[in-house]
Amino acid sequence: ELKVEQNPLFLSMQEGKNYTIYCNYSTTSDRLYWYRQDPGKSLESLFVLLSNGAVKQEGRLMASLDTKARLSTLHITAAVHDLSATYFCAARRSGSRGSTLGRLYFGRGTQLTVWP
Amino acid sequence: SQTIHQWPATLVQPVGSPLSLECTVEGTSNPNLYWYRQAAGRGLQLLFYSVGIGQISSEVPQNLSASRPQDRQFILSSKKLLLSDSGFYLCAWNSGGTGANVLTFGAGSRLTVL
Repeated sequence: ELKVEQNPLFLSMQEGKNYTIYCNYSTTSDRLYWYRQDPGKSLESLFVLLSNGAVKQEGRLMASLDTKARLSTLHITAAVHDLSATYFCAARRSGSRGSTLGRLYFGRGTQLTVWP
Repeated sequence: SQTIHQWPATLVQPVGSPLSLECTVEGTSNPNLYWYRQAAGRGLQLLFYSVGIGQISSEVPQNLSASRPQDRQFILSSKKLLLSDSGFYLCAWNSGGTGANVLTFGAGSRLTVL
């Protein structure tokens, strides 16, 4: 089984500050996803990282992938209140085919609170 | 564009009662379909997945079952609910192939078993 660990699980940060969320996974993966979940809502896709060294940015969020270290990071730059949410990383095992293309292993999520 | 619908959005059921959650996808054909469950404060656990009509794979043994009577319809059921079945149930879909295969989630169904 592919295990995914996120840290920290809880993050409280002031507006304007920078921080990084870490996502480690236990075995080879060919896709790494980041999702955002607002309270009581479903998951919204943020990024998908396909290869070693991949970096994607959207606004104040930047995700990267190091497949050799089995590590992905989600970096938050100059946080604003609207970024408050729970962020999940999810990995897909290498060699997935057919319906297992959507068999993702999720971390427990990082609950981010941004305060003024 | 593709959309995914789930209903009901919220339900409260007594222990021992039956359950039926429905999910439909529009704007695509032959989707891969998934049922995930999120317990309070936890990540997501895959329950069932399906690559086509009548084809269901179960990830973990449990009190639930799934069916896919039509190409774009996925149903989660139980004959007798347990307290431990409470949670947030998310239907999701993706397409096959070698691309990103992003999993797109429905709005979810929040089940409370009393």
